[in-house]
Amino acid sequence: EAQVTQNPRYLITVTGKKLTVTCSQNMNHEYMSWYRQDPGLGLRQIYYSMNVEVTDKGDVPEGYKVSRKEKRNFPLILESPSPNQTSLYFCASSLGGVSDEQYFGPGTRLTVT
Amino acid sequence: LAKTTQPISMDSYEGQEVNITCSHNNIATNDYITWYQQFPSQGPRFIIQGYKTKVTNEVASLFIPADRKSSTLSLPRVSLSDTAVYYCLVGDILGNDMRFGAGTRLTVKP
Repeated sequence: EAQVTQNPRYLITVTGKKLTVTCSQNMNHEYMSWYRQDPGLGLRQIYYSMNVEVTDKGDVPEGYKVSRKEKRNFPLILESPSPNQTSLYFCASSLGGVSDEQYFGPGTRLTVT
Repeated sequence: LAKTTQPISMDSYEGQEVNITCSHNNIATNDYITWYQQFPSQGPRFIIQGYKTKVTNEVASLFIPADRKSSTLSLPRVSLSDTAVYYCLVGDILGNDMRFGAGTRLTVKP
């Protein structure tokens, strides 16, 4: 089954404790992206990757890191999480880019206390 | 920047046609317009995409006027299961200046 998986689905952590949210897709997609979703703000792009070893900043990259060492994986790293990073996070992938149909993961709800 | 603006919410009744409009005054030449549907506790799901004029698939139609400064998602004969949040997205293939709208919460009543 074609899908995007994210782990963990729920995470509660404390300020400053490094964490990684994993994302994996099995569709051989070139493009992968991370979004955060906050009430009233919709979806905002954090980082995206057009291909392996190619990443670029989205609208709200501050406080986040990503890597794309393999085509299928695109982890999101929070080196020192803060309460303002409490949000719902989605990973997505597509064949060619934002203008292609994006497949979204189920989401990761992160709470930073 | 192609800022996108959508109504916050809309109500409808089963069997009616629903039209949701997204405004994107600063759309660029290379930008496409894509609509997504999102149910609670799920990721968004692709509905339809277009560049200009009209696009139709098995679930919706997308109308884009010649100036491309707006687009209208049309859902024919909605049912209760169409209750969801609908997002428009404007962006080019590289993701330059891509923008999701804030979403329109559609509530379909019996």
